[in-house]
Amino acid sequence: QSVLTQPPSASGTPGQRVTISCSGSSSNIGTNYVYWYHQLPGTAPKLLIYRNNLRPSGVPDRLSGSKSGTSASLAISGLRSEDEADYYCATWDDSLSGVVFGGGTKLTVL
Amino acid sequence: EVQLLESGGGLVQPGGSLRLSCESSGFTFSSYAMSWVRQAPGKGLEWVSAISGSGGSTYYGDSVKGRFTISRDNFKNTLYLQMNSLRPEDTAVYYCAKRHCSSSTCNSAKFVGVDPWGQGTLVTVSS
Repeated sequence: QSVLTQPPSASGTPGQRVTISCSGSSSNIGTNYVYWYHQLPGTAPKLLIYRNNLRPSGVPDRLSGSKSGTSASLAISGLRSEDEADYYCATWDDSLSGVVFGGGTKLTVL
Repeated sequence: EVQLLESGGGLVQPGGSLRLSCESSGFTFSSYAMSWVRQAPGKGLEWVSAISGSGGSTYYGDSVKGRFTISRDNFKNTLYLQMNSLRPEDTAVYYCAKRHCSSSTCNSAKFVGVDPWGQGTLVTVSS
């Protein structure tokens, strides 16, 4: 059981906009920045979003992050087949004094 | 180019020990906090541990606290994870990762964002 809750799956067709949610509590998302990673099959994860809504260099601007209260979301617009991957949210948890991850969302491009 | 190369994984019996290493290059190793994250087969990501750039501050996940020890050798540019009292549930691919830093202070062990990650090393705990 993950501290952060994500839907196990999401899907969309090419060109569509999809969002992936991440729900936490006051001890984690409520007071700390949220980060997003994706993991293509058989590869190491890669950072997509840091500090709620900032993109590292090389990450396209059709990916965006947001946070409100104890929840966060990742939006992907102009969906492409190469977006098919597992997506994870993460943040610091003050009660646990450590990093917590969501259980992951498998995105399928139909 | 930043490169992280893990080694030391393998098959170990329950109760046994293993030490993972992560050789780093392409950046000033001592200036960056580092972490270990693991992924059990077919499962999600689980944060294991983090260490400050100087090595003086560490954090651990509850599932490994008291059994695992993170350390670093800044002269050898190498990160370590000493794993003792291993359990079958520790079976996973272990990734080392460099703190992603957008400011001039990248030394603190209290951080979340990591990038890049190494390719991972598989640890299997089984009799």
